[in-house]
Amino acid sequence: DTGVSQDPRHKITKRGQNVTFRCDPISEHNRLYWYRQTLGQGPEFLTYFQNEAQLEKSRLLSDRFSAERPKGSFSTLEIQRTEQGDSAMYLCASSLSLGTYEQYFGPGTRLTVT
Amino acid sequence: ILNVEQSPQSLHVQEGDSTNFTCSFPSSNFYALHWYRWETAKSPEALFVMTLNGDEKKKGRISATLNTKEGYSYLYIKGSQPEDSATYLCAFQGSQGNLIFGKGTKLSVKP
Repeated sequence: DTGVSQDPRHKITKRGQNVTFRCDPISEHNRLYWYRQTLGQGPEFLTYFQNEAQLEKSRLLSDRFSAERPKGSFSTLEIQRTEQGDSAMYLCASSLSLGTYEQYFGPGTRLTVT
Repeated sequence: ILNVEQSPQSLHVQEGDSTNFTCSFPSSNFYALHWYRWETAKSPEALFVMTLNGDEKKKGRISATLNTKEGYSYLYIKGSQPEDSATYLCAFQGSQGNLIFGKGTKLSVKP
């Protein structure tokens, strides 16, 4: 399968716990994006990487959130001290860094904080 | 703050009906307009990327138009089928590359 994959697909955690999600992009794509979608909203941009460099972060990304892409391949998104408001679908996408940057999405990780 | 609006929020049609949705977006700093189709439990699927004013694109029974001067795009589905049921998202892309999405139009097609 050469698409974008995300793991896990579902995560249920208790408030205050830390969670980490993983995204594996399409192998030749050097850009990787994280989005968050809450009920009734479209996906909202969180951050993106070009290779291993994190180039932009949204104001939505509070200091409890951290993202890494250590070797310019897979990426992780960690949420520390989860809150109920963090419950959402977390989507990852990848693209080339040229042309219209057409983004290919993974299936998402559904996070539920109880 | 850049705002992307989609209408209607939801749409229920009978199989065989044709339908269309609207996406409005800022006309300044425009780079591209993306349409995605998102079925439950699947990845959002790219339908079209449009960059030029007056662009028209077609994929099977689905087509889209773009007006960058007035900041809108239409998505048309001809002869809707139950398998077209999904949420249709449009996204504005500025020069940075990240996408700003609308809330989507949820389409339900009844057999």
